[in-house]
Amino acid sequence: GAVVSQHPSRVICKSGTSVKIECRSLDFQATTMFWYRQFPKQSLMLMATSNEGSKATYEQGVEKDKFLINHASLTLSTLTVTSAHPEDSSFYICSAREGQGAVYEQYFGPGTRLTVT
Amino acid sequence: AQSVAQPEDQVNVAEGNPLTVKCTYSVSGNPYLFWYVQYPNRGLQFLLKYITGDNLVKGSYGFEAEFNKSQTSFHLKKPSALVSDSALYFCAVRALGKLVFGTGTRLLVSP
Repeated sequence: GAVVSQHPSRVICKSGTSVKIECRSLDFQATTMFWYRQFPKQSLMLMATSNEGSKATYEQGVEKDKFLINHASLTLSTLTVTSAHPEDSSFYICSAREGQGAVYEQYFGPGTRLTVT
Repeated sequence: AQSVAQPEDQVNVAEGNPLTVKCTYSVSGNPYLFWYVQYPNRGLQFLLKYITGDNLVKGSYGFEAEFNKSQTSFHLKKPSALVSDSALYFCAVRALGKLVFGTGTRLLVSP
């Protein structure tokens, strides 16, 4: 299957700083990528859907000014957590969609563990 | 709204025994159903999916799932569990272009 990478795999930052997480589709082009957040022992919650060349669509309750998403190319989407606080500590997982229409596959990255101190 | 339910937080099974991880769904229209597995501190790995066709779907690592329309279920099964199958399993339904996940079931296979 197709491969999606994330960088970094782990990051520790101080409260008030910003952190950028990269999501790349390595062997396919992805016009649509998804960002999820997972709390310990909980399910994945969709944060936003990003489409290449346009603004991301955020789920209800997700602060778009805090979680900045950029999808500048067909193989790269970035999530920037701005002015991070300890409550932003979580496991962030991206996913990339291969294909269009009703028949497509969605591949997941390995995740990024963010710890805000 | 489209949703899936995984009624068991954890399933315990002895190695070599058959395993079942339950999932029920609620969708309008035809369901697109998926199973994923997650190992600690890792992303999700695709196991199998049901779009249409045979109700018994075979997937990766010897797993299979049975789509039952009358019971609105999509239970994950494996005839003989391995210790290495111990992980977190998620059922999901695709709705309006998005995947909606269940709460996950932790599978623990004991030697």
